[in-house]
Amino acid sequence: SAVISQKPSRDICQRGTSLTIQCQVDSQVTMMFWYRQQPGQSLTLIATANQGSEATYESGFVIDKFPISRPNLTFSTLTVSNMSPEDSSIYLCSVEPSLDRSYGYTFGSGTRLTVV
Amino acid sequence: GNSVTQMEGPVTLSEEAFLTINCTYTATGYPSLFWYVQYPGEGLQLLLKATKADDKGSNKGFEATYRKETTSFHLEKGSVQVSDSAVYFCALRGKSSASKIIFGSGTRLSIRP
Repeated sequence: SAVISQKPSRDICQRGTSLTIQCQVDSQVTMMFWYRQQPGQSLTLIATANQGSEATYESGFVIDKFPISRPNLTFSTLTVSNMSPEDSSIYLCSVEPSLDRSYGYTFGSGTRLTVV
Repeated sequence: GNSVTQMEGPVTLSEEAFLTINCTYTATGYPSLFWYVQYPGEGLQLLLKATKADDKGSNKGFEATYRKETTSFHLEKGSVQVSDSAVYFCALRGKSSASKIIFGSGTRLSIRP
């Protein structure tokens, strides 16, 4: 299965600044997904990133706040812009490593973001 | 739409106790069902899965059976260990090509030595 490297693993940021999270996969994948996990909560899908096209955002998430890049089949970035304390969460990158849709997703280890 | 309802936690058990974490779902057709585990400070790992009715997924001593008649996928383990302390997420994925995986609220499990 795919191995995902996510950076940074954690960061403490000042409000009003932006943070870019990187996700590197060791194999080519068509779809990459970005999730947010707020403290003590479940995972919420932010957007789906396909190579060569604009990301598709879920309800409640907008490109201006969470711009995503997907320059090739092994890499993606998520930027959290103009941060506020409410953005403090774990951000998780995931991929669908197999054409078999029943396989499930593989997740990175996450980026723990604290906004002060 | 599709949804997953999961037993609320936290759940605290003694080592070697029997574990059940309940999960029920709402979906059309026959979704794929998953249990993911998140150990402290880590991302999610796929624990087990089932893709059709009456399938049993199993891994690391954990089991879950896909019950279409009760729309359930309860997680069980006969004898838990301290190392099983983690957050467990039930999840499903619909059959349509546009379906994404959706997650339950998670159940935090703590095992006392």
